[in-house]
Amino acid sequence: NAGVTQTPKFQVLKTGQSMTLQCAQDMNHNSMYWYRQDPGMGLRLIYYSASEGTTDKGEVPNGYNVSRLNKREFSLRLESAAPSQTSVYFCASSELGYTEAFFGQGTRLTVV
Amino acid sequence: GENVEQHPSTLSVQEGDSAVIKCTYSDSASNYFPWYKQELGKRPQLIIDIRSNVGEKKDQRIAVTLNKTAKHFSLHITETQPEDSAVYFCAASLGSNYQLIWGAGTKLIIKP
Repeated sequence: NAGVTQTPKFQVLKTGQSMTLQCAQDMNHNSMYWYRQDPGMGLRLIYYSASEGTTDKGEVPNGYNVSRLNKREFSLRLESAAPSQTSVYFCASSELGYTEAFFGQGTRLTVV
Repeated sequence: GENVEQHPSTLSVQEGDSAVIKCTYSDSASNYFPWYKQELGKRPQLIIDIRSNVGEKKDQRIAVTLNKTAKHFSLHITETQPEDSAVYFCAASLGSNYQLIWGAGTKLIIKP
């Protein structure tokens, strides 16, 4: 039982490049989330998926897109990376909206 | 927009003493209030949560209190130990949807 698995763990991109962060959970959770964490700030929600087949914008969605591929997988895409997107990205899942969220190990992304 | 304010940003206490971290939220419809602990370089993990129909909840050395009228909630850690050193985040649900709004975090330092 791996919980929530994110790939990659580290990534360096040049400005303008694109990439997809992958996330998979094996807990049969309905809800999945993508957060970014910047120094001195809390977690900020980028996008979430309340259930399979639905996605909604969070607090900071600009510059990102998501896909809920199936119940297990939720990917985050940066179409044209910018230095302001340098951050640590966390994927999380929960059974329902107001239950414990389990986080992946994080992806440290640097855009140069 | 809605926000969660967390204080203090850094808290240093002597081992064995108590620590209190406070959060204030703005959305009167919030009804779920989790606390997460994040050790350096690791993922956030839930340590305790409380729902709006409960005023206080305890789990061994950790307790959370909620004052809905004043819109604030607090984390209390008693008999602090070195392994309590971490960053602690509070969060509040945003209205009736699946979003959580997070505080900026409190770095708790336990002095030997």
